[in-house]
Amino acid sequence: EAGVAQSPRYKIIEKRQSVAFWCNPISGHATLYWYQQILGQGPKLLIQFQNNGVVDDSQLPKDRFSAERLKGVDSTLKIQPAKLEDSAVYLCASSIDSSGANVLTFGAGSRLTVL
Amino acid sequence: GENVEQHPSTLSVQEGDSAVIKCTYSDSASNYFPWYKQELGKRPQLIIDIRSNVGEKKDQRIAVTLNKTAKHFSLHITETQPEDSAVYFCAPCAGGATNKLIFGTGTLLAVQP
Repeated sequence: EAGVAQSPRYKIIEKRQSVAFWCNPISGHATLYWYQQILGQGPKLLIQFQNNGVVDDSQLPKDRFSAERLKGVDSTLKIQPAKLEDSAVYLCASSIDSSGANVLTFGAGSRLTVL
Repeated sequence: GENVEQHPSTLSVQEGDSAVIKCTYSDSASNYFPWYKQELGKRPQLIIDIRSNVGEKKDQRIAVTLNKTAKHFSLHITETQPEDSAVYFCAPCAGGATNKLIFGTGTLLAVQP
C-alpha cells in the first residue's frame, strides 16, 4: 500500500512570505491530520479532517494558517504571512476513520525554514 | 485540555540493558495509549499500543503497561540494541468522535554499544 505523500520536502522562505504544503493520504483513509513539529518537541495537532469536514482546528493559528480538503482526499496547508516561529516540520498523517483507536500513518514531512 | 508528560526526557543505557519510559496524562476519558518511535530526521511510527481494557501488552522486546487509576502508562524495552536509539513519544487519545492524539514531550533514548 502506498504511504502518505507530502510535498515539498523542504522549503526556505523569508518572513512575511507565504508557503503551501500538500498532502495525499493513504487511499481510503477518511481522516487526515496536520501536525506541526518544532525541533526538540512532540508533534502538535493543527487541524483534523474527517472526509472534507473539519473535526478539530482548535490549535490552528487562524490569522495566518489555513487548510482545506475540498474533495475529501488530498489536502493543502497554507501559511500567510510566515513568521520566524513557524520554522518546523509539518507532518501530515491519515487514519482509516476517527472513531475508536486508529493507527496514524505519517508522511515524511515538509521542513520549513523561515529566515 | 489534555496534559501529557514523559519521564525521563533523556535516557542512556548500555546495549543489552532494559529501558523504561513513563507517560502521565490528565484526561480520565483517555482510552487508547500508543507509543511512537521517531528516528533522527524521520517520521513518527507506531511501535505498540494498548487499549483501556487491557493492563499489559507485549510484542517481542517491547511491552506497554497501563495504570488507568493512576493515569500513566509505560514503555518497556528489553535487550536494547543500538537501533533502538530514537525519540519515543506517547500519545494518549480520548477516542470518541475526534480520535485526537496528544503527543508527549518525547524521550531521547541512546543505546551505547
